[in-house]
Amino acid sequence: GDSVTQMEGPVTLSEEAFLTINCTYTATGYPSLFWYVQYPGEGLQLLLKATKADDKGSNKGFEATYRKETTSFHLEKGSVQVSDSAVYFCASIKAAGNKLTFGGGTRVLVKP
Amino acid sequence: KAGVTQTPRYLIKTRGQQVTLSCSPISGHRSVSWYQQTPGQGLQFLFEYFSETQRNKGNFPGRFSGRQFSNSRSEMNVSTLELGDSALYLCASSLGLAGNEQFFGPGTRLTVL
Repeated sequence: GDSVTQMEGPVTLSEEAFLTINCTYTATGYPSLFWYVQYPGEGLQLLLKATKADDKGSNKGFEATYRKETTSFHLEKGSVQVSDSAVYFCASIKAAGNKLTFGGGTRVLVKP
Repeated sequence: KAGVTQTPRYLIKTRGQQVTLSCSPISGHRSVSWYQQTPGQGLQFLFEYFSETQRNKGNFPGRFSGRQFSNSRSEMNVSTLELGDSALYLCASSLGLAGNEQFFGPGTRLTVL
């Protein structure tokens, strides 16, 4: 079945450091890919998405490119802030359905 | 536009009891999905409803059930609660078109004692 694998955390960074969280997927067909963020005590917020190969999703300084050849969707941000401390989830959804398949989540802690 | 709302936000129950959780989707959204989030299993899909019909179901026992009303509001029910049912239950709504992004509510934190 479909699956999403992302790097385990926690990832601890200093403010203004570069962040990258690896995410790979297995799926039949061509899924849409998402990054969600979860702040403490809250639900999931959509951070960015990409619906086809070579699409780049971007939002709030975060970027991720849909790489079909490597089945990857790595999340990057050039300069993190303390407010970026959260848990980040990579997810896929089949083109023909509405069921999200999530990775295990990566906790990111940004220190001042 | 109001977001997805879930009630109650917190629940404490004892083993053997049953519980009903409620979710109101974003106005105009016809699809509601439910997910269970636990530290050990992560985020797992429970089921999806669209136009009052269950469209997809995850690998959960029959104690977990749901329904959707004509106004798209959804409820999920868990009967004969077990300790392992303690989790954050998240509801997500979408327009219902395949592959669309889903918008999540804040979740209901269920604790089973």
